[in-house]
Amino acid sequence: EVQLLESGGGLVQRGGSLRLSCEASGFTFSKNAMSWVRQAPGKGLEWVSLISGRGGSTSSADSVKGRFTISRDNSKNTLYLQMDSLRVEDTAVYYCAKMDQSTSDNFDVWGQGTLVTVSS
Amino acid sequence: SYELTQPLSVSVALGQTARLTCGENTIGSKNVHWYQHKPGQAPVLVMYRNTNRPSGIPERFSGSNSGNTATLTISRAEAGDEADYYCQVWNSVVVFGGGTRLTVL
Repeated sequence: EVQLLESGGGLVQRGGSLRLSCEASGFTFSKNAMSWVRQAPGKGLEWVSLISGRGGSTSSADSVKGRFTISRDNSKNTLYLQMDSLRVEDTAVYYCAKMDQSTSDNFDVWGQGTLVTVSS
Repeated sequence: SYELTQPLSVSVALGQTARLTCGENTIGSKNVHWYQHKPGQAPVLVMYRNTNRPSGIPERFSGSNSGNTATLTISRAEAGDEADYYCQVWNSVVVFGGGTRLTVL
């Protein structure tokens, strides 16, 4: 069974840092691009960052560019999101999502999410 | 920036047909994907590349995309279909619509 399990969320003060992890199982991790998507309270889904299967290519939303860094360790089947200079508006549930290998433009598996709360 | 427009809410009577729309001037030239998201759960892909249902998604779900509107159609609506639905495209980056809350009456 394909599974994604996020961890690392919690409460942090404005300006602080946090690292999220997403452990993958049930598929060949290194063959799939992966992404982070978030949902702020009462808001819709917002794409955050994307990384290619081998990790050589990344992209991020303007709202997090320069503050968040996506990375992966294919030997550990794990995706990461390093979040620095956190803002109150970064408060959200953060989802890890697997990009569909056959289409490369949509997400076919999602994790349950991990909550990040940034206090002022 | 590229924006996808979805109605905030749609209501449908039990057993009737719901049509959820996603609008943008050039959307007909894009591959549109749809996700179902229930509170406290992981989002679920219910339609990919306009008209394709992933395995496990009921045939009651269908999709179309033409001109400036993509549509997710849910036939014979059930109580379990009540959720937020998001459209998504790839436009050099990932773009989500604002989401539609589907209420089954």
